[in-house]
Parts: sequence; C-alpha cells; structure tokens
Amino acid sequence: QKEVEQNSGPLSVPEGAIASLNCTYSDRGSQSFFWYRQYSGKSPELIMFIYSNGDKEDGRFTAQLNKASQYVSLLIRDSQPSDSATYLCAVNVMNTGFQKLVFGTGTRLLVSP
Amino acid sequence: GAGVSQSPSNKVTEKGKDVELRCDPISGHTALYWYRQRLGQGLEFLIYFQGNSAPDKSGLPSDRFSAERTGESVSTLTIQRTQQEDSAVYLCASSPAGGSHQPQHFGDGTRLSIL
Repeated sequence: QKEVEQNSGPLSVPEGAIASLNCTYSDRGSQSFFWYRQYSGKSPELIMFIYSNGDKEDGRFTAQLNKASQYVSLLIRDSQPSDSATYLCAVNVMNTGFQKLVFGTGTRLLVSP
Repeated sequence: GAGVSQSPSNKVTEKGKDVELRCDPISGHTALYWYRQRLGQGLEFLIYFQGNSAPDKSGLPSDRFSAERTGESVSTLTIQRTQQEDSAVYLCASSPAGGSHQPQHFGDGTRLSIL
C-alpha cells in the first residue's frame, strides 16, 4: 500500500514564528514531492516542489527532502495569519510511466496574530 | 483563461440522476487528472488522461463513473445513477506532460451534492 502520512493538526504557531510541516511516505521509488496549500472551500494551490535530497528555498518557504528516511518537510518562516490553511503533501508514484500523485490528508496550520 | 476551469462550480441533484462535470485544462497541457475530495479527506485519484487516451482509470470507484477527453482539451466526468456517497468536490488538474517532474495545477472544483 503506497501511503503518504501527515499529522492532521491543527498546528498552531504565533505570527512571525517558523511553522514546520512534516510528511512521510512509503514508496521508496518516489521521485517527486509537492506541497499544496488549500484554503477552506478552495482548490489546492501549488506552493513548492522538490526532487533532490536537501533543501529548496523559495521566499519564506523551504522544502526539505530526505529520501533515505522517506520524509519531506515544509518550513514557513515569518508565519502570517494568511498562511492559515491546510497543507497537503503529495508524492508521485510512477505507474506505467506517468506521474500519479498520492496525497496525504493534510496538516491544518493556524497562525495567530 | 490562464488556469484550469471547471464547471459547474456547484451541482445539487437528486439521487439516481446522472451528472456531467466539465474541465478545461490549461492550454497546451497534455496531461489531465480527475480527483475526488470528500469532506475533511485527502484527494483521491480517479483517472489520468494523456492526450485523449486514459492510460490509468484505476481510481474510478465503480462502473457508474466514466470520463472522456476530446481534442486533447476538454474533459467530462460523468456519474450515472448518482448515490449519496458520490457527494464530494471533484477536482481537475492539468500538467504540461505526464512525467514525474511535472507539477499539477488544479481548477476550483465542482462541489457535488446528492440529495
């Protein structure tokens, strides 16, 4: 069973703090990892993607990938109340040569002013 | 438009009726995906199109569900004889190609409610 697991939260952080969101996955063959942000009642919005071990930074967001330990994380620096949303981790499962994403159930982040 | 467009945005129908959900992908995107998201749940993969072909339809929950894509563009997801458990948000996503490094971009979804 190919799975992606996330803590459902809520993860509560004060404004200005660093929010750390974690995701583990079971398929060692996975090659691509994505973080989506989903506001309540809205569709998922791509935030970050990472393919190689290590860190990838984009503005206030940093994605971290450790394939040996099968985890991927998202750090949000200087968290803002507008960052309050559910963050979905998605991992590709190569199936007949195309990208098939398996999503975690998401971590709800609450940033308090 | 620049993004993935889905219609209708909301659909309320009676149990047993058929429904059609439409997706217009980003222009030029050859890969198209349908997902279902039940309330408070993660996204469930339904079907993948590469061009007009569907190499993987393994996520379709029953034979009441079908989908097609024409002109390597618009896709329609059809649910026949709807049941209450079909109530969910149906999301469409597209990507430039089907390769593993291609991020998927989502539409706003169709919220389907079965009475």
